[in-house]
Parts: sequence; C-alpha cells; structure tokens
Amino acid sequence: AQSVTQLGSHVSVSEGALVLLRCNYSSSVPPYLFWYVQYPNQGLQLLLKYTTGATLVKGINGFEAEFKKSETSFHLTKPSAHMSDAAEYFCAVSEGDGANNLFFGTGTRLTVIP
Amino acid sequence: GAVVSQHPSRVICKSGTSVKIECRSLDFQATTMFWYRQFPKQSLMLMATSNEGSKATYEQGVEKDKFLINHASLTLSTLTVTSAHPEDSSFYICSASNRGLGNQPQHFGDGTRLSIL
Repeated sequence: AQSVTQLGSHVSVSEGALVLLRCNYSSSVPPYLFWYVQYPNQGLQLLLKYTTGATLVKGINGFEAEFKKSETSFHLTKPSAHMSDAAEYFCAVSEGDGANNLFFGTGTRLTVIP
Repeated sequence: GAVVSQHPSRVICKSGTSVKIECRSLDFQATTMFWYRQFPKQSLMLMATSNEGSKATYEQGVEKDKFLINHASLTLSTLTVTSAHPEDSSFYICSASNRGLGNQPQHFGDGTRLSIL
C-alpha cells in the first residue's frame, strides 16, 4: 500500500526566499514519486518526477526535489520564490511510472509575500 | 508537451439532471484514462481507471451506476454523472496516459467544476 503525507497545509514565504515543501511517503515497493502544481480552477501540471537513478531531480520553474530513501522523503525546494509560484502543490506516489494509480498527498498551499 | 482537453470547464445544472464530461487527449493515444474528484481544499481522490475498449475499474465507494465512464477510443473518455444531486457538486479532473510507451506520466486536464442546484 502507498500513501503520502505532506506536512503543512499552508506555507508562506517572502518573495526571494527559499521554498521548502515537505513530502514523506510510504510504499511497499520502490516508489515512483511526483510533484504537481495546481493553479486555481485548473488541472495539475507535472513539476518533476523521480523514477530511478539520480536522487536529485530538477524540474520546471526552478524547482527540484531530492529522493531520500532512508528518510522516506521527497521534499520540494526552490532557492528563490517568485510571486508566480503561489499555488497548490501536491506530492504523489505510484507503483510505476505514473501510468499506474497515483496516490496524492493532501496538498500544500504556497503563498508568496511581496 | 502532451495536451489533455477537458470539457466543459464549468457546468451548473438542476438536481436530477445527468451531466457528461469529456476528456480528450489531443496529441497522443491515451490507452488509459483516470477520473479524479477533488473537494474544496482537499486532494484528488481517484474515482476510476479506464482502459480503451474495456470496462472501467472503480475505486471502493464509487458508485458505478452513478458515475458512468466510457472509453471507446484512444483519444476520448467520458464521465456521466447520472441524476446528479447537490452532493455531487465537486471539481472533476481527468488524466490520460499511454502505457504502451513505457515510462510516461499522467497528463491532466484542466478540470470541470460541477455545481448542482
């Protein structure tokens, strides 16, 4: 069985500050991990994904995430927040490459303060 | 990148009406489509998975007679909410993937906000 826990339903950062969104997962098999972003009244856009290989994954819009098996974590970071980063962020895990069922966390709403 | 179109984006209708939502993959063949439901300020909950030409697989607790899913072609899946009631009001999101291509993620539509009066 798989599950995802996102610590912090709301995160606020100042423009230009570091963004850190936390995600911990549980999986009985080697996980495939994803971060998605959702803007109001829109679907989800894939930011990045980890399948195998390099544990530090770089995505779009300057985001990156590091897979840490020992900590069962896949935290999302960005060195410098922009106003346009304000959105809802979802971490997800699947048994396969994403074509299989995705199990989503409850989401973290990121607010960027000017 | 891959594009998934979902229509309509918003629908408001009276209680008892049936509503059909379309999900189209515009530039790839979607062997598998997923339908999710999202309540306000909550995460996405998978309702069902459909493979082209096969019956959909519904998640536990989802009424298959209430939420009819058709995936008759490699580019189109539809979700019909039958005899909709106010408690069916929600944000419905589809996604599509081509499992035949291996390591392909799901591509999401922009969602449909359904409001039942």
